[in-house]
Amino acid sequence: GAGVSQSPRYKVAKRGQDVALRCDPISGHVSLFWYQQALGQGPEFLTYFQNEAQLDKSGLPSDRFFAERPEGSVSTLKIQRTQQEDSAVYLCASSSNTGGGEKLFFGSGTQLSVL
Amino acid sequence: QKEVEQDPGPLSVPEGAIVSLNCTYSNSAFQYFMWYRQYSRKGPELLMYTYSSGNKEDGRFTAQVDKSSKYISLFIRDSQPSDSATYLCAMSPFLYNQGGKLIFGQGTELSVKP
Repeated sequence: GAGVSQSPRYKVAKRGQDVALRCDPISGHVSLFWYQQALGQGPEFLTYFQNEAQLDKSGLPSDRFFAERPEGSVSTLKIQRTQQEDSAVYLCASSSNTGGGEKLFFGSGTQLSVL
Repeated sequence: QKEVEQDPGPLSVPEGAIVSLNCTYSNSAFQYFMWYRQYSRKGPELLMYTYSSGNKEDGRFTAQVDKSSKYISLFIRDSQPSDSATYLCAMSPFLYNQGGKLIFGQGTELSVKP
């Protein structure tokens, strides 16, 4: 497709459930980022992939959060044993560059609500 | 204290007004400065991109960066109701081969009234 695609668009989970969020980046984009955006806040960095390599996962809030990009294209963000504080919009972004100052293209996000 | 500070607003202006949006930052390593626009229930969309200090103009939009003051601005001339959105400033240091991790401000919610 022409842009970054994320699914599902909305996800409701009961506290303690595991969830998996999918990101399809723009075809050919090497860099892929996950961000978390709480209501009324700016996006906060979670993790970064260059092709299939996860080069930076410093923003993952706990070991319940796990991300993968096994073939260097589609990425999945998994959250185990969800908590209410995990409720947020999870944004995926991709870029064709690998250096600093990349221009990121964002998907519309997955809105996660944990009840 | 956050690395990037942005007044969350909300900001309401009449159609045709000049809008000024601002961010301050503390990390002198930031080299790349961007403004994103985010409509409700959508992802951020890149609006302006600037490297280091200076001005950049694109149509009705002007971005200014003053690295000595650690202050960036976005000006919108002849504002339109379609400009109503949340505006996010974002910054990145130069990290060769480590990706362009962006640090975002909180976002300013702008409403342009007809």
